Amino acid sequence: EVQLVESGGGLIQPGGSLRLSCAASEVSVSSNYMSWVRQAPGKGLEWVSLLYSGGRTDYADSVKGRFTISRDNSKNTLYLQMNSLRGEDTGVYYCVRVQEDYGDPRLYIDYWGQGTLVTVSS
Amino acid sequence: DIQMTQSPSSLSASVGDRVAITCRASQSISTYLNWYQQKRGKAPNLLIHATTTLQSGVPSRFSGSGSGTDFTLTITGLQPEDFATYYCQQSHSSPWTFGQGTKVEVK
Repeated sequence: EVQLVESGGGLIQPGGSLRLSCAASEVSVSSNYMSWVRQAPGKGLEWVSLLYSGGRTDYADSVKGRFTISRDNSKNTLYLQMNSLRGEDTGVYYCVRVQEDYGDPRLYIDYWGQGTLVTVSS
Repeated sequence: DIQMTQSPSSLSASVGDRVAITCRASQSISTYLNWYQQKRGKAPNLLIHATTTLQSGVPSRFSGSGSGTDFTLTITGLQPEDFATYYCQQSHSSPWTFGQGTKVEVK
């Protein structure tokens, strides 16, 4: 059974940095597309970043230049380095696996972690 | 960015009802449209991908339709466990975007 377990969330002051981790089991972070999606308290879902299996990365404009997605293949772990944090970055961050069916470019999220809460406040 | 607009934002329904949630994209996304269900305090769960493909394990009372800019999620015969919030999401273009959500509540 695929499991994605996030950690690293917490309370951080504006301008601070935090690194989120996502330990994966029964799915290889190196051979899959992996992504982060966040949800502000009481709000909807917002896509944050995507790491393709080939290493290419993509970011939402709201985090570009501040967040960095990466992976450690030996630990089968996905990361999100978050710098220059702002109040609007507060929310639950979900690690997700993005599925690509063979020959079909229509990607979708089929596995979600339980989420880790990031609170940016002074 | 492609804007995704769901309607209604909320609805009240009874067990056994047929429910339809619409999702409109600000430009054509072909059939690059997915639907997720989220229950309170839980991570979202994939219902339908590529507009019409039911995810494995999802009951057949859920169905999806549409193409281009207009899409619909239909629940035929609402069950107690279906009271939740539903989101559409496009994967046609970066940045991926979600609809604002539709909360299905008990009438």
